[in-house]
Amino acid sequence: DVKVTQSSRYLVKRTGEKVFLECVQDMDHENMFWYRQDPGLGLRLIYFSYDVKMKEKGDIPEGYSVSREKKERFSLILESASTNQTSMYLCASWPGQQGKKYGYTFGSGTRLTVV
Amino acid sequence: GQSLEQPSEVTAVEGAIVQINCTYQTSGFYGLSWYQQHDGGAPTFLSYNGLDGLEETGRFSSFLSRSDSYGYLLLQELQMKDSASYFCAVNTGGFKTIFGAGTRLFVKA
Repeated sequence: DVKVTQSSRYLVKRTGEKVFLECVQDMDHENMFWYRQDPGLGLRLIYFSYDVKMKEKGDIPEGYSVSREKKERFSLILESASTNQTSMYLCASWPGQQGKKYGYTFGSGTRLTVV
Repeated sequence: GQSLEQPSEVTAVEGAIVQINCTYQTSGFYGLSWYQQHDGGAPTFLSYNGLDGLEETGRFSSFLSRSDSYGYLLLQELQMKDSASYFCAVNTGGFKTIFGAGTRLFVKA
């Protein structure tokens, strides 16, 4: 089974801090994603990466950046954390269209609180 | 704009059958998926429909009608552990998947 591991389950950061959320997958998938989940809004795509060093903006990229230096690791960076970035952050991995019947595999999430 | 509509809450009795509907309006369509998420947990993949019709996986089935931009998830023989949120998701092409806001299912004894 694919495992997607997020480094922190809970984080509390101060406004203005630079925050790093780490995600690692162990099944050699090219595609990785960062979503945020807020009540009533479902999952919204922040950024995704389809290969090492390749990244694309999702629907809500403002205030975020990402890094993919190795295939198995995809990092989300909040350049200067703000209270409206308090949310649950979910990382996901996907094999691509050839594996579309298998869906995304999500990590357990990082609940970030910015105070 | 692009949207997926699903009911916010559904309540059903243990042992019953429940259907969670999803209608979508997207610029592209490459398949409808369903995910389950328990409180505090990660979403887990349940099913995928790329073509019209019914897909069955144990107690869960999923249906798609592309002409109606509509699908549903059917849960049979409900158990208490099925209490969770269920999300429909549409792959709109390439790497993009849009998720619905989720349906919270309450299973009562």
